[in-house]
Amino acid sequence: NAGVTQTPKFQVLKTGQSMTLQCAQDMNHEYMSWYRQDPGMGLRLIHYSVGAGITDQGEVPNGYNVSRSTTEDFPLRLLSAAPSQTSVYFCASSYSSSSNQPQHFGDGTRLSIL
Amino acid sequence: DAKTTQPNSMESNEEEPVHLPCNHSTISGTDYIHWYRQLPSQGPEYVIHGLTSNVNNRMASLAIAEDRKSSTLILHRATLRDAAVYYCILIWNYGGSQGNLIFGKGTKLSVKP
Repeated sequence: NAGVTQTPKFQVLKTGQSMTLQCAQDMNHEYMSWYRQDPGMGLRLIHYSVGAGITDQGEVPNGYNVSRSTTEDFPLRLLSAAPSQTSVYFCASSYSSSSNQPQHFGDGTRLSIL
Repeated sequence: DAKTTQPNSMESNEEEPVHLPCNHSTISGTDYIHWYRQLPSQGPEYVIHGLTSNVNNRMASLAIAEDRKSSTLILHRATLRDAAVYYCILIWNYGGSQGNLIFGKGTKLSVKP
């Protein structure tokens, strides 16, 4: 099983550039989410989705867009990259949004904004 | 939102048991207690979760206090591969959707050979 796959693993951008971080899962999970992790910190929720066609904002959504056109994919778009968005980004999925479901994480995308 | 308190760091010797504590005095009746760990340069990994009763799985055991205001993650025999940051998390109902994890700074576990 591939689980949760994130691409790319590393990326360097210039301020003002846009890009899309890809996330795909092959477990037929309904719930998917994006987190960012800054050095020495825990993860913070950016956006989440409880199913195809449904997305909502998390704790730190500004500067990011998401869409969920299929169950498998949940891309994260940076509209105009800023140095404050330098971070490690993790995608996660779970069978449902129920609070007793474990979440499965990808290995992360390490993003640097110059 | 319910918060958790964990020690910043702990040390253990290889092949000895490790007890990682977590305080969550403001836990509500419907909050599940989840534990995740994060190895260096990897994404978080699910370890175990529970509601009221103690739980066991192949990775660890979870002991939950009777009043649910604290819990302990137990690694029965620590190995070098268990060196990681361990997060104790209460599931918070954010915007009507459960399942969003609120991460604190966790406990960094070091395992000595």
